[in-house]
Formats: sequence, structure tokens, C-alpha cells
Amino acid sequence: DTAVSQTPKYLVTQMGNDKSIKCEQNLGHDTMYWYKQDSKKFLKIMFSYNNKELIINETVPNRFSPKSPDKAHLNLHINSLELGDSAVYFCASSQRQFLDGYTFGSGTRLTVV
Amino acid sequence: GDSVTQMEGPVTLSEEAFLTINCTYTATGYPSLFWYVQYPGEGLQLLLKATKADDKGSNKGFEATYRKETTSFHLEKGSVQVSDSAVYFCALMFDFGNEKLTFGTGTRLTIIP
Repeated sequence: DTAVSQTPKYLVTQMGNDKSIKCEQNLGHDTMYWYKQDSKKFLKIMFSYNNKELIINETVPNRFSPKSPDKAHLNLHINSLELGDSAVYFCASSQRQFLDGYTFGSGTRLTVV
Repeated sequence: GDSVTQMEGPVTLSEEAFLTINCTYTATGYPSLFWYVQYPGEGLQLLLKATKADDKGSNKGFEATYRKETTSFHLEKGSVQVSDSAVYFCALMFDFGNEKLTFGTGTRLTIIP
């Protein structure tokens, strides 16, 4: 069983479209994250949810909207996609009081054309 | 703000060579420190960690020691293999209340046979 699973793995779409990426973790963790990795491999946090509550919201365009229906799921919806949104998006999870770092999903490569 | 600085890549070594990837951090306080590895086409995996000064993290022949006096967490391996070719990320995280992982820019390592 995959600990943190993201779907889809690849997503190619046209500018202006709306798309969603889904993430699920089966580790029983209480905190989930979305990170964006650009073409130079730089990783930047976008959002963090703890038990369905938003706790980190970095400077991200409001076209990006996370949704956490329960603590095992954190989805990312993107409206009006732009060329600059092309990147790899990683979901991750952790148990808040343990300083074990994160468990990452395998990523979703989004290409906007 | 908190930040992590890694040595610029790419780094190319011959098999069985000694590896050092430098990492220093800037932070108010004493964060936990991590090394993550990203193999081609995959997500990030935790390689090792250290939570307090003078702790040594180790895994798969890799080691790193938390040096408070030099604010460093350099990654070392005595004899690298072709399978170690990947991108390595240094990261920091503070204690409970702010679990954001702040990453360095990553260092691409290529090992040639």
C-alpha cells in the first residue's frame, strides 16, 4: 500500500482550464501539505492542513484552493491555469508532534500548454 | 526568515569516491535538520535527520552531524555508488507549532562507474 498517493501522476492541460489534484495518506498522520517544485528543483511550501484546518497558507495566488474533506485527504484545485503553473506538485504528510519530517507522495507533473 | 544554503551542484564523482555535500542554515533557535533524497522521477525520501546539537544522523552509509557552532549539517559518505545518483535536499524544521519544512535548493549528484 502506498503511504501517500497522488493522482494523477501527469497532467497536461491548456491555459485557462481548471484542474484538480488529489492526495490521500494512509499513515494516520494529522497534517498534510502541498509543495511546488519548479524546473530548477526548488521546493516551496504552498499549504498545510492539520485535522482539516488550514494552518499554513504561503503567498500563493488565490487561483489555488486546497480542500481537506478529512484528515486523510488533501486536494488541490487550480482555476484558470497559467503557463507559470507548470511544475511538479508534491503532497506530503506528517504527525504534528513528532519531528520525523514528512512522508512525500511521488508527485504530479503539471504541464500547462 | 529561516533559510538553508546548500553547495551548488551538479556534483560528479567516480564510484567509490568520498562525498561531501555542504549545508548551512540560518534560523532563530535550534531547528531539527534533515537530508532528503529524490531519485529520478520520484518523490522525496527522508535519508537521515538530527534533532539537537551534536546529534549524528546516519542511514545507508550516509552521515551528517548537527553542528550548532557552525550552523551546519554536511552530508558525507565514504564510498559512493552509481545508485546514489540523485538530488539531495537539506532541510530544517522547528518544534511543535511550526512544522514547515524549509528546503535548500538541492544538489544534483551523479556517480560515474
